[in-house]
Amino acid sequence: EAGVAQSPRYKIIEKRQSVAFWCNPISGHATLYWYQQILGQGPKLLIQFQNNGVVDDSQLPKDRFSAERLKGVDSTLKIQPAKLEDSAVYLCASSRSGGASYNEQFFGPGTRLTVL
Amino acid sequence: DAKTTQPPSMDCAEGRAANLPCNHSTISGNEYVYWYRQIHSQGPQYIIHGLKNNETNEMASLIITEDRKSSTLILPHATLRDTAVYYCIDYNDMRFGAGTRLTVKP
Repeated sequence: EAGVAQSPRYKIIEKRQSVAFWCNPISGHATLYWYQQILGQGPKLLIQFQNNGVVDDSQLPKDRFSAERLKGVDSTLKIQPAKLEDSAVYLCASSRSGGASYNEQFFGPGTRLTVL
Repeated sequence: DAKTTQPPSMDCAEGRAANLPCNHSTISGNEYVYWYRQIHSQGPQYIIHGLKNNETNEMASLIITEDRKSSTLILPHATLRDTAVYYCIDYNDMRFGAGTRLTVKP
């Protein structure tokens, strides 16, 4: 099966600019996650969708970050305006369901964002 | 902060078993422990998960203590390609810590 697709792979922007990332999960996966990974740290969950509803966005900086998952498939993550500290790799992952007993997450390659 | 704690780094000789510990002393009775690894510049990759029984798959074995306060991931015959950062996470919390950087040496 095809893996999780993300684009772009790399993005360089100036601070205060806007940027958007796109994710296409594995077909049939109901749950989609966005993570932020700063260099040297583990991934930090930003938002979790179950189909097109938000399950957890407690760590999403809502003053500048937004995410949507229209029709329960593809998702976009937007930052507006970007700050220097947003420089990180943004990872998208998907899983079959949100249940705990078998919820292997499949990760995409990530988008490396550099804010200058 | 993550609800799990792991040593920041470990070394292992190629061909030997790598035993990676994880403390999850605050985990509740119905929370699964998941292990992932991340090879440089790639997204994390699922390895194994468990609740209270020991588990084994083609990649690794997972030993969970009876009180469920800690677990150990075992790579039985480590290879150079197993060099990566290994994360254990509490599924219900979904917070990755800094993980353990495992270096397999020839």
